[in-house]
Amino acid sequence: GPKVLQIPSHQIIDMGQMVTLNCDPVSNHLYFYWYKQILGQQMEFLVNFYNGKVMEKSKLFKDQFSVERPDGSYFTLKIQPTALEDSAVYFCASSGGSQNTLYFGAGTRLSVL
Amino acid sequence: GQQVQQSPASLVLQEGENAELQCNFSTSLNSMQWFYQRPGGSLVSLFYNPSGTKHSGRLTSTTVIKERRSSLHISSSQTTDSGTYLCALERGNNRIFFGDGTQLVVKP
Repeated sequence: GPKVLQIPSHQIIDMGQMVTLNCDPVSNHLYFYWYKQILGQQMEFLVNFYNGKVMEKSKLFKDQFSVERPDGSYFTLKIQPTALEDSAVYFCASSGGSQNTLYFGAGTRLSVL
Repeated sequence: GQQVQQSPASLVLQEGENAELQCNFSTSLNSMQWFYQRPGGSLVSLFYNPSGTKHSGRLTSTTVIKERRSSLHISSSQTTDSGTYLCALERGNNRIFFGDGTQLVVKP
């Protein structure tokens, strides 16, 4: 089936550094999402993105977060600067096919030390 | 408040037993989707089911919009069915809300 690819699978950084999480969504999809999941906890919505713009974001989407998809390349989530509480698995998802089914990537595990 | 509520929160079955997982939502919806997640794994879409009943192998999903509920039935459970089952509600603006999930353990 359709695949959403996330790179890297695991990222370890020091608190205060910048990190960029990359997502290659399904090729004909138009809507892109980031979700955050702390181990053992609920999947939490961060942001959705359409036509080059943020459509909606949650209160978890702090000022230190930003998203973009320059020239149809990777859909990225940038955190600058990172904080300890940013440690989590970040899932990218895309939708936009005929059924609007949501497809998820395998996640990027972010560890902030 | 919580827009999507799942029950039960956890469920333990003996292999071969059936399971009925529930998802109730407090708002109107455009669509409902069921996902499966292994511990530490990604989400796999099981059903995109905005209304009615859909079947896939041993799985059946039924969404009744006017009653604001969706169910996932697993028949003849197997140990490999163990994991977390999540329902997700899509409202307008492609905003998608997840329930807290049902943790299923199927024992041999």
